[in-house]
Order: sequence, then structure tokens, then C-alpha cells
Amino acid sequence: GAVVSQHPSRVICKSGTSVKIECRSLDFQATTMFWYRQFPKQSLMLMATSNEGSKATYEQGVEKDKFLINHASLTLSTLTVTSAHPEDSSFYICSARRTGNLNEQYFGPGTRLTVT
Amino acid sequence: AQSVTQPDIHITVSEGASLELRCNYSYGATPYLFWYVQSPGQGLQLLLKYFSGDTLVQGIKGFEAEFKRSQSSFNLRKPSVHWSDAAEYFCAVGGPRDYKLSFGAGTTVTVRA
Repeated sequence: GAVVSQHPSRVICKSGTSVKIECRSLDFQATTMFWYRQFPKQSLMLMATSNEGSKATYEQGVEKDKFLINHASLTLSTLTVTSAHPEDSSFYICSARRTGNLNEQYFGPGTRLTVT
Repeated sequence: AQSVTQPDIHITVSEGASLELRCNYSYGATPYLFWYVQSPGQGLQLLLKYFSGDTLVQGIKGFEAEFKRSQSSFNLRKPSVHWSDAAEYFCAVGGPRDYKLSFGAGTTVTVRA
């Protein structure tokens, strides 16, 4: 149990377009989901915390108008990169915290975004 | 503020040899500690976690870690590594009410035949 999926696994888009990434908890309900960004050979950087039915909380330095997060249900959160630029190219990973669970996060497989 | 330091950027170990990865944390209260493993281009898999109780915790794939409060450490060990253990390893810290995790920079493990 505790499987998290992401879709798509890889996406290439042109500069100026928007891209939506989905994060789903497949076999559990997730009150809270997290979005991370990872640059090559580096650690995960938390971008935002997403709570079902409420606005996401963004980390300092993350543009909320550029990285739109929606957590419409207990099993789905989406990250939309708006007006993407080459510097937005990165590996985006989501995680989900099971409702009622102490503090264990289950991670998705990641989405590789390349902006050309 | 919470933070994690993984002093070793890269470790090379022979197959069958023992492995120890260091992790030091900074946290204002009782920490929740985690070790994750990441294969290239993949997400993170939880190896083990410490919330409370026995300070020596067993995880998957033959890994164990020991919580030492006096040293603010949570080092990961494996007695005998396999070639499939080559990956990136991340230590993370969080708390009972702060669901955010802070990750270390990671340690890359290379296994030589």
C-alpha cells in the first residue's frame, strides 16, 4: 500500500506554454501533499505544501503565480507551471502524507520537465 | 530552524563490504528522522524511520540506523552491500507537528565489483 503516482513522467514543452503535473495517492487518502523540485545532483527543495480544500502554502522564494497548486480531492494534487521558461526545467517530485499518519510521506516517481 | 547535514558527498565501497552513511541533524524538539534512497531518475523510497522508542531501527533491504541524541546523529549502516545498493541516499528530519521535511544534500554510493 501507500503508492503515489505522477503523470506525466516526462514532458517537453516550449517556452511560454503551461504544463500541468498530476500527483495521485492510489490506495490511501492524503490530507497533505508536498511538491519538491530537484536539480541534477542536488537535494530536494520543498516548493509548497498542499492541503485538500485550501490554498497551498508556498516556501519562501517560490512564485505562487508561476507554480499553481490545486488539491481538489483527498487523492489528487496538481502543479501547473505557467509560462514555462528553460530555467524551470527540473525534476519535480510530489509526496503525500496519509490522513492521520504521523509524519510519513510517500513519494511519487517524479516528473522530468524540459522547457525548450 | 531544522536542517540536515550529510558530510559525505560520495562514497565508494566494494561489494560485500560494510557501508555507513553519516547524518547530523538540527531540530528544536524531538525529531522524526528518515532515510530515503533514490535511484537515477526515480522518486524516493523510504528505507527506515525513527519516531521514538528503540534507538536502533531496522529498515528494508538490510539497512539499519541508530539515533544518537547526544550526537544529533542518525547514521545509516548496512553490513554487506550489494551492487544494487548503488544509489543516492537522503537523510531527512521533521517533527510531530511540522509535517515538512528537511533533506540533506545526499550521499552518492558507488559499489565496485
